[in-house]
Amino acid sequence: SSELTQDPAVSVALGQTVRITCQGDSLRNYYANWYRQKPGQAPVLVIYGKNNRPSGIPDRFSGSSSGNTASLTITGAQAEDEADYYCNSRDSSGIHLAFGGGTKLTVL
Amino acid sequence: QVQLVQSGAEVKKPGASVRVSCKASGYTFTSYRISWVRQAPGQGLEWMGWISAYNGNTNYAQKLQGRVTMTTDTPTSTAYMELRSLRSDDTAIYYCARTAVAGDQIDYYYYMDVWGKGTTVTVSS
Repeated sequence: SSELTQDPAVSVALGQTVRITCQGDSLRNYYANWYRQKPGQAPVLVIYGKNNRPSGIPDRFSGSSSGNTASLTITGAQAEDEADYYCNSRDSSGIHLAFGGGTKLTVL
Repeated sequence: QVQLVQSGAEVKKPGASVRVSCKASGYTFTSYRISWVRQAPGQGLEWMGWISAYNGNTNYAQKLQGRVTMTTDTPTSTAYMELRSLRSDDTAIYYCARTAVAGDQIDYYYYMDVWGKGTTVTVSS
C-alpha cells in the first residue's frame, strides 16, 4: 500500500469546482506535487511545491495543504481535465519519494 | 525545447536484464537529477529512484535495491536504468523524468517537470 492515499475516483459537473486530496504523514513536513495523466500519455506536472504552476498550466489549477492532507483544486473544470491525477512527495523517511495511488477524475 | 527521448520497447524473458536509455536535450544535463518511474498495466505510478547527473549519486526505492542500477553518461547527456533478474511483475511502462529540487535546507522537495514518453518493457516466457 502507498504511503500517500488518494480517493480512487471523483466526479465533477462541467464548470464546477472539484478538490482532489492526498493524505499521508509525510505531508506534515513536505510539500506535495501533482501530475495529470491522460490515457496513453506520460504524466504532466500541474502543481509543485506550495502552489506553483508550470508554464502552460491554466490558473484554474491550484494547490493547498493542511496538516497531513494536500489538495489539488480545479476551479471551473473543463472536459479536457478528465484524467488520472497523482500526488507525489518525499516519503515518511524523508529519503525516498512516493506517489499516491491516483484519482480518476470524471467531468460530467 | 527541453525533452527526454527514451529507447524503444523491449521484450525479455524472466531472469534476464533490461537497460533503458533516456537522452536529454535543451537544458544543462548536469543541473538536474533524473528519476525513473514505472507504471504496470492498469496501475498507478511507482517511483524507482533517481540519479544526480551532477555527481552520479543515486537514491533507489527500497523494494528495488540490489536489482536496479542507474547511471549517466555526461558527454551524451544520457541516463540509463538497468533492472536485473526480471520477473513478470516488472512488466510496465518505464518513464524517465527530469527532477528538480526546491525549497530550503529543511523542507526541500523534489518535483518531476519534464517526462519522457515511456518505454514498454514486457517480461514473458
